[in-house]
Amino acid sequence: GAVVSQHPSRVICKSGTSVKIECRSLDFQATTMFWYRQFPKKSLMLMATSNEGSKATYEQGVEKDKFLINHASLTLSTLTVTSAHPEDSSFYICSARGPDAGYTFGSGTRLTVV
Amino acid sequence: DAKTTQPPSMDCAEGRAANLPCNHSTISGNEYVYWYRQIHSQGPQYIIHGLKNNETNEMASLIITEDRKSSTLILPHATLRDTAVYYCIVPPTGTYKYIFGTGTRLKVLA
Repeated sequence: GAVVSQHPSRVICKSGTSVKIECRSLDFQATTMFWYRQFPKKSLMLMATSNEGSKATYEQGVEKDKFLINHASLTLSTLTVTSAHPEDSSFYICSARGPDAGYTFGSGTRLTVV
Repeated sequence: DAKTTQPPSMDCAEGRAANLPCNHSTISGNEYVYWYRQIHSQGPQYIIHGLKNNETNEMASLIITEDRKSSTLILPHATLRDTAVYYCIVPPTGTYKYIFGTGTRLKVLA
């Protein structure tokens, strides 16, 4: 079946630095990927839609300059959290539409900003 | 956009069937119902989806009412590993965007 690989699975960074999270579709091409964040014991919140070769579409309230998304190829989307602060600590998850119905999700990235 | 409503939590005895309901009374005629589950600290896992007819796969069965305003996910023989949060999702027509509700936290008891 379709596999989405997300890297890293965990990252700790210092406040003020930037962190890049990668989302790869391993055995299929994905023109559209999605990025979510999830706080403890809460549901997934859609942040943005990543479109290959064009600008990402952000959901209302999500700062596009804070969360930079690049979808440079049909198998890779990246999310960069710029100038990270402790309140950006969260679980970030990507998803991509595979060849079968439904979306495949990555395993998530636990970001801790100290 | 079809909004979904699910009970916040349910318990189920191991080996018994788990029946998880979802209300989607504003669903449009061509919108599918998808079910996913999320085990702690992992990404959501696809379970099943359907439009009008009941569906079954190796993981679960999906029963959709005739008026399509609600559905039930059935795990026929729940195991401890089925303990997870289960999400019922109806993507808005033409968008493919998944908007997650609060889901149902299923706890399978030994």
